[in-house]
Amino acid sequence: AQSVTQPDIHITVSEGASLELRCNYSYGATPYLFWYVQSPGQGLQLLLKYFSGDTLVQGIKGFEAEFKRSQSSFNLRKPSVHWSDAAEYFCAVGASTGGFKTIFGAGTRLFVKA
Amino acid sequence: NAGVTQTPKFRVLKTGQSMTLLCAQDMNHEYMYWYRQDPGMGLRLIHYSVGEGTTAKGEVPDGYNVSRLKKQNFLLGLESAAPSQTSVYFCASTRESTVVFGPGTRLTVL
Repeated sequence: AQSVTQPDIHITVSEGASLELRCNYSYGATPYLFWYVQSPGQGLQLLLKYFSGDTLVQGIKGFEAEFKRSQSSFNLRKPSVHWSDAAEYFCAVGASTGGFKTIFGAGTRLFVKA
Repeated sequence: NAGVTQTPKFRVLKTGQSMTLLCAQDMNHEYMYWYRQDPGMGLRLIHYSVGEGTTAKGEVPDGYNVSRLKKQNFLLGLESAAPSQTSVYFCASTRESTVVFGPGTRLTVL
């Protein structure tokens, strides 16, 4: 069965500092991997996705993520955080088994301090 | 394109009442989903559908029923609401892989 673990419930970084949000997944085959962002009171917006090919994927808003099969990880990074990046971030794994299902991690809330 | 829309946006129910949440998508997507979001638990899949007339259980299906009579609509029903069903409900759809979410419905059960 698919599962996703986001070890950090919340993270605080200073504006301008770099960011890395951790994500580990469990799935028997090569998964589809996603990062979504949710601002307070809003729906979920796709930041980036990995299906195959280059293991470093670029997304919107300056985010990138790297797929590491050996570590079953898909960590999200940003070199310089802006105050507007404060939100909740969800890692997700998708699989085409009897229909496409996406399972989400519990989320990591990012706080940005001035 | 409106994308994925949900009706209503907010609702307050008393324990034991019933209601139906409506989800509509205009992207001709095959797959549709209902998730619930609770603090510290991320999004959990309630039910999903791989096509018109088909539904399947997700991670947390108990207390909910769904129907997909038309390809563009996916209904989530609560027959007898319980306080544990207080949550934010998101509908989503996809054709192949990337999921598109609706804006959410905030449901409170007293």
